[in-house]
This record gives sequence, structure tokens and C-alpha cells, in this order.
Amino acid sequence: DGGITQSPKYLFRKEGQNVTLSCEQNLNHDAMYWYRQDPGQGLRLIYYSQIVNDFQKGDIAEGYSVSREKKESFPLTVTSAQKNPTAFYLCASRGRNTEAFFGQGTRLTVV
Amino acid sequence: KNQVEQSPQSLIILEGKNCTLQCNYTVSPFSNLRWYKQDTGRGPVSLTIMTFSENTKSNGRYTATLDADTKQSSLHITASQLSDSASYICVVQGNSGNTPLVFGKGTRLSVIA
Repeated sequence: DGGITQSPKYLFRKEGQNVTLSCEQNLNHDAMYWYRQDPGQGLRLIYYSQIVNDFQKGDIAEGYSVSREKKESFPLTVTSAQKNPTAFYLCASRGRNTEAFFGQGTRLTVV
Repeated sequence: KNQVEQSPQSLIILEGKNCTLQCNYTVSPFSNLRWYKQDTGRGPVSLTIMTFSENTKSNGRYTATLDADTKQSSLHITASQLSDSASYICVVQGNSGNTPLVFGKGTRLSVIA
């Protein structure tokens, strides 16, 4: 089945550690996005990529890094520089002139 | 600045009743507007997508309207069900094909028996 998959669903990280969230899509979409959602808040854009080997910072990129080596994959690394990383992270992809499809999210908790 | 404002922030209605959610935007130039439903702890799922020339679009018990002149949209839910309890998010895209989407903060709808 075509779709967008995020893993893992739940992730725990110790303070000071880097952690990478996976996002894979087999929809042949060029654009991919990472959003952060905090309780009672809207989605905020972290990074986005319009094409392979290219990506741009969103509104809250500090403390995060991404890569886009393959069209299908857009992993997000939450670094130790991110001071408040506990949140729900959503990945999305979109083809030209199509709607955005979202993954089921990863809930990251710092312990 | 491109913004999407939704109202109300939260809403509680009785099962079987109708309700209307509002979305105002300042994104320009405008390409399309989408309504998503997000269950708690899940990713958003698309309900409707409307382009500049469309005024109304229905998807089952959901009917979205768009007034591109006043930059307003509404989502009307008829005969609400308990399963309609979720956050409803309005998302607007600018005119470039790959412009990042601008999200509203959502309306939290609770349907009670």
C-alpha cells in the first residue's frame, strides 16, 4: 500500500542525547515536511525539503537537523541543543498539486 | 505575514447536533485550502481540499465553504457523532506548488451523548 510511515511511534531520550526520527514515503512525492505539535497547539514547521539533496529551515529549526539523500526518506535528528524536545512530531509529504499526507506521528519524551 | 486563524478554539456539542467551524486566512496569493481531522495522538487526515474557484465541497456529513474574496472558510458538520470528537485543522497553501503549508491551531470538537 502507498503511504507515509513514521517510526518509532514512541521514543524516549535521555537529556543530552541525539535521537533520529524516521520518515519514509512510497508515494513518489517530491516535498516532505517535519512538524512539531505541542499539547493544545497547532503544528509548527521545523524543516522542509522540496527535492532530494535540498532542504530549508522552517519556523523552529534550532536544535534540529535533517537530511534528504533519497526521495523516499527524510529523517529528523533532534539534537542535544534542542532545549525542550518533548513533543509530538509529524512528518508529511506532498506531490505537486496534491494534498499533503501525514504519518501517524512519533511521540518523543525526554527522561 | 501569512496566517490562519480558527474559531472557536474548542467546542462541545450534543450527539446529533450540527456545528460550524470557522477559518480566516491572510495567505496571499492563495492556492488552496484544506480541512483536516486529527484524532488525539494520530496524524491529520484530509477531509476536503478547495481551490480558488470552488465555493462548496461536501464529504459525507462534512461540508466546507470558501469565500476567497473575504478569505474565509467554514466546515459544517451535520448530525454529529461521538466519533467526530477530534481536532479540526484548517490549512492554507500559497500559490507556489511547493510552498510550505500554513496551519491554523485547530478547533477541538467534543461530541457528548
